[in-house]
Amino acid sequence: QVQLQESGPGLVKPSETLSLTCTVSGGSIRGYYFNWMRQAPGKALEYIGYIYYSGSSYYNPSLKTRVTMAADMSKNQFSLKMNSVTAADTAIYYCARSEAAAGAHLDYWGQGTRVTVSS
Amino acid sequence: DIQMTHSPSSLSASVGDTVTITCRASQSVFGYLNWYQHKPGKAPKVLIYAASSLESGVPSRFSGTGSGTDFTLTISSLQPEDSATYFCQQTYSTPYTFGQGTKLEIK
Repeated sequence: QVQLQESGPGLVKPSETLSLTCTVSGGSIRGYYFNWMRQAPGKALEYIGYIYYSGSSYYNPSLKTRVTMAADMSKNQFSLKMNSVTAADTAIYYCARSEAAAGAHLDYWGQGTRVTVSS
Repeated sequence: DIQMTHSPSSLSASVGDTVTITCRASQSVFGYLNWYQHKPGKAPKVLIYAASSLESGVPSRFSGTGSGTDFTLTISSLQPEDSATYFCQQTYSTPYTFGQGTKLEIK
């Protein structure tokens, strides 16, 4: 059974960089797209972007200047970095897998990790 | 970005009831609409993809219909474990967008 688990600091200071990792177990990351989403309190999920196992990526234009994603096949992990964070980046961050870049659903998700941006 | 709107935002129903949740897109997403179930502290789970295809392992009392801008998720013969938030996602146009969800309470 494929499982995804997000990890990273729960507290990040304003203007610093948020760094999260998603570890995939029960299956390889080869051939799949890995997506990041976030949900701020009281709001709908926001799509951040995806990274393909080979490294190609798409970022939401609203976040594109601050986001970098990467995949590490040797560790079966992928990562999200978001710089210059503000309180508006406080949210639960989720990773999820899809089989295609376009039109595909998210078939496995992590439980989410809460990130608070505060000094 | 395509806006996704749910109705109702919450509802309460009894075991054995049938409920219908609606998701409306601000423009056509054709059939690129997925439904998820999310329980607090758990990983969201896909129920329906491509508007009407049942994900493997999901009970057949979950069903989805619709195309274009209007979609419905129907849950028949409600069970206590169906208490959750249900949300839709369009994957027709990037950035993919989600509805805020419908919170279902089982009385």
